[in-house]
Amino acid sequence: DTAVSQTPKYLVTQMGNDKSIKCEQNLGHDTMYWYKQDSKKFLKIMFSYNNKELIINETVPNRFSPKSPDKAHLNLHINSLELGDSAVYFCASSQLLGVGQFFGPGTRLTVL
Amino acid sequence: LAKTTQPISMDSYEGQEVNITCSHNNIATNDYITWYQQFPSQGPRFIIQGYKTKVTNEVASLFIPADRKSSTLSLPRVSLSDTAVYYCLLGGGGSYIPTFGRGTSLIVHP
Repeated sequence: DTAVSQTPKYLVTQMGNDKSIKCEQNLGHDTMYWYKQDSKKFLKIMFSYNNKELIINETVPNRFSPKSPDKAHLNLHINSLELGDSAVYFCASSQLLGVGQFFGPGTRLTVL
Repeated sequence: LAKTTQPISMDSYEGQEVNITCSHNNIATNDYITWYQQFPSQGPRFIIQGYKTKVTNEVASLFIPADRKSSTLSLPRVSLSDTAVYYCLLGGGGSYIPTFGRGTSLIVHP
């Protein structure tokens, strides 16, 4: 009965590859997010969707493309992976924008 | 962007009360203040949230002065398992971007 789940938990890949991370929430929330946490532990928002509509797109390279097939899912596709993309990516959800977010367990992406 | 400032690190001992203050001088009228706890290799976990004055739940208290330019998370009688990074986050309705601060690394010693 996990509230916010992400797959995979770990992802190791080569530069230039394309990969996807999936996120699902069973809380009935309208808003979902993707955050990136780098090696310095700085947690930075990347995207936010409300009811399948993109509402926040924060200075993220266009190699990153979020997709929300329904309001319970928000997937992140990354094209042409670079070394600097190595980080932990967290999905989150909340009912209201930025209020009371529930976070997933994270996906540790390592680009070699 | 509403910016928050917290101490980078704090040390405490088991059984003590710990207070972590977050400064947010340009908090917006609609913003709530939320605190999260993060253990290594885990996602942030919601601790407490408030808008003004004082909020208390089973794990913490949150003190917010009248001008709302800061907030203080109070952890009563910490234990070793409270060793974690604590983040304050401003959030609310309307057009804004959730912005986490750098977080405070709390280490609780035996």
